[in-house]
Amino acid sequence: GQQLNQSPQSMFIQEGEDVSMNCTSSSIFNTWLWYKQDPGEGPVLLIALYKAGELTSNGRLTAQFGITRKDSFLNISASIPSDVGIYFCAGHLWLNSGYALNFGKGTSLLVTP
Amino acid sequence: EPEVTQTPSHQVTQMGQEVILRCVPISNHLYFYWYRQILGQKVEFLVSFYNNEISEKSEIFDDQFSVERPDGSNFTLKIRSTKLEDSAMYFCASSGWGDTQYFGPGTRLTVL
Repeated sequence: GQQLNQSPQSMFIQEGEDVSMNCTSSSIFNTWLWYKQDPGEGPVLLIALYKAGELTSNGRLTAQFGITRKDSFLNISASIPSDVGIYFCAGHLWLNSGYALNFGKGTSLLVTP
Repeated sequence: EPEVTQTPSHQVTQMGQEVILRCVPISNHLYFYWYRQILGQKVEFLVSFYNNEISEKSEIFDDQFSVERPDGSNFTLKIRSTKLEDSAMYFCASSGWGDTQYFGPGTRLTVL
């Protein structure tokens, strides 16, 4: 599958700080997704992006689908301790028979009170 | 809110044994998927299933793997002869048409 480069690999921040992470791909995707994974659990969808240039918010989270369709970023504002976890970007090309999600390697976020 | 469920949560098996991992997708979804995640690594696609047949599979999904939808609710992943390197978290996911994928909580497979 296509390779996704996600950065940074990890972040260690204080509560209240803003966070930014991004994902790039050598291939075009027609959908970008951001998931959060807590230890021992499955990925939980945070934000889905369907159009190039789209900017979408979900509470304190904001994500954008790059104009070139090869990148996306996720911002978290005013971080809180429960934001701790691993954040994955995922992209895909939709086929009529479904689609395989290509995941980045994740950004591990630690938030100190 | 509807969710994907998976059983068992943890499966321990001996190398060479067969295992079946079970999933109940969201009821009105049409597309079903299996992914795996080796400890500390990214989530990797294994297979997608639509209209009672495999629609796409990765290099990981070799002849040792098979999927089945034996009835209207369950979706299973079978590994015929497990290897040590099959130890991982296995996630089931489902989606509607053109919709995003929703993941189950996973089954942790440990091969001894």
